[in-house]
Amino acid sequence: SQKIEQNSEALNIQEGKTATLTCNYTNYSPAYLQWYRQDPGRGPVFLLLIRENEKEKRKERLKVTFDTTLKQSLFHITASQPADSATYLCALLMDSNYQLIWGAGTKLIIKP
Amino acid sequence: DTGVSQDPRHKITKRGQNVTFRCDPISEHNRLYWYRQTLGQGPEFLTYFQNEAQLEKSRLLSDRFSAERPKGSFSTLEIQRTEQGDSAMYLCASSSTGLLAGYYEQYFGPGTRLTVT
Repeated sequence: SQKIEQNSEALNIQEGKTATLTCNYTNYSPAYLQWYRQDPGRGPVFLLLIRENEKEKRKERLKVTFDTTLKQSLFHITASQPADSATYLCALLMDSNYQLIWGAGTKLIIKP
Repeated sequence: DTGVSQDPRHKITKRGQNVTFRCDPISEHNRLYWYRQTLGQGPEFLTYFQNEAQLEKSRLLSDRFSAERPKGSFSTLEIQRTEQGDSAMYLCASSSTGLLAGYYEQYFGPGTRLTVT
């Protein structure tokens, strides 16, 4: 069966440390993988997109890696801040119909 | 504000009633998506439009759900004969099909929280 798995338990990180979130998938061949941030009661906000032929993408304190052999993406936030506390969702974009398939998200808590 | 807007933000209705939600996408975006999200889950795809054409509808979507985008601008999502299981956040998103950066990213509205009692 097709699955996207993200850590279901909240991730607690000390301020200033690097937070690493994992997205694993099975039985998909996505053309792109995206990461979104969602705050309570709000819609998701796009953060980064990485293509299947890219290994790594960076944006300010954010870094995403994509390993199509392992079927895994890692999302890193360096020098984390309490304002980074939110739920982070990964989503696979299928080339065939441009539909996004979503993980359930990981709640990140940055403690001061 | 030029983002995606949704109306209403909250809706409480009794089981069996019909409800309609509205979404106004970013004006230059020709793709519009509807999702449903329940607590602790990621968004679940419902349907999407390119301009006024509804190109795909989830196989999981009941016949009680219908969506329109009559002039390729705003969209409405109607749920007929609501059931308690319809209680969720309904999210609308839009995107562009242009060849500029951001071709594949989706911009979400704040959502409509539906509670069916």
